[in-house]
Amino acid sequence: RKEVEQDPGPFNVPEGATVAFNCTYSNSASQSFFWYRQDCRKEPKLLMSVYSSGNEDGRFTAQLNRASQYISLLIRDSKLSDSATYLCVVRSYGGSQGNLIFGKGTKLSVKP
Amino acid sequence: GAVVSQHPSWVICKSGTSVKIECRSLDFQATTMFWYRQFPKQSLMLMATSNEGSKATYEQGVEKDKFLINHASLTLSTLTVTSAHPEDSSFYICSALPGALPQHFGDGTRLSIL
Repeated sequence: RKEVEQDPGPFNVPEGATVAFNCTYSNSASQSFFWYRQDCRKEPKLLMSVYSSGNEDGRFTAQLNRASQYISLLIRDSKLSDSATYLCVVRSYGGSQGNLIFGKGTKLSVKP
Repeated sequence: GAVVSQHPSWVICKSGTSVKIECRSLDFQATTMFWYRQFPKQSLMLMATSNEGSKATYEQGVEKDKFLINHASLTLSTLTVTSAHPEDSSFYICSALPGALPQHFGDGTRLSIL
């Protein structure tokens, strides 16, 4: 089983739609969780950290369920500029601080 | 915010050539930097952890003699792909920690070996 699994998509949605991405991780000792956004042929950029209590940043809401080892990202009122690949990223306890485990990403395409 | 600069952004060279990639932290000191590699449609994979003033720590399966890492100062780490071959063609990305998580990534270097 892969350490971080995501639905690869693509998710093709119209502008204004609400879209949800899911991610599961295999290591129950994982400590830190993030969503990154990666545009084509670009470096990943941090979108938001994910906390157990859930957190929101504008149109973006992230949730973490440690019992189920499940992370989600909800995007409301999708914009054309949201089109990108969204990477679920996990850092496990005991690994080096650099040992972020990346999912393959979920591709989102927002259409006019 | 913290900025990490990577250079060059794109390299095309012949098989057998050695290629050096630089990673600089522009507005903070980084005792630790990280080198990742991403093949098409694959996830980023950590190659090695670069430690200022000491040897890099390589992940399993990464050849340290092929991917030479030097971290001579608190703001610069270099990755040299020695005797590069077509299978080394990939997107190489560095990152650095301005203290605590999260990491900040460089722009990446797209390496194409002919």
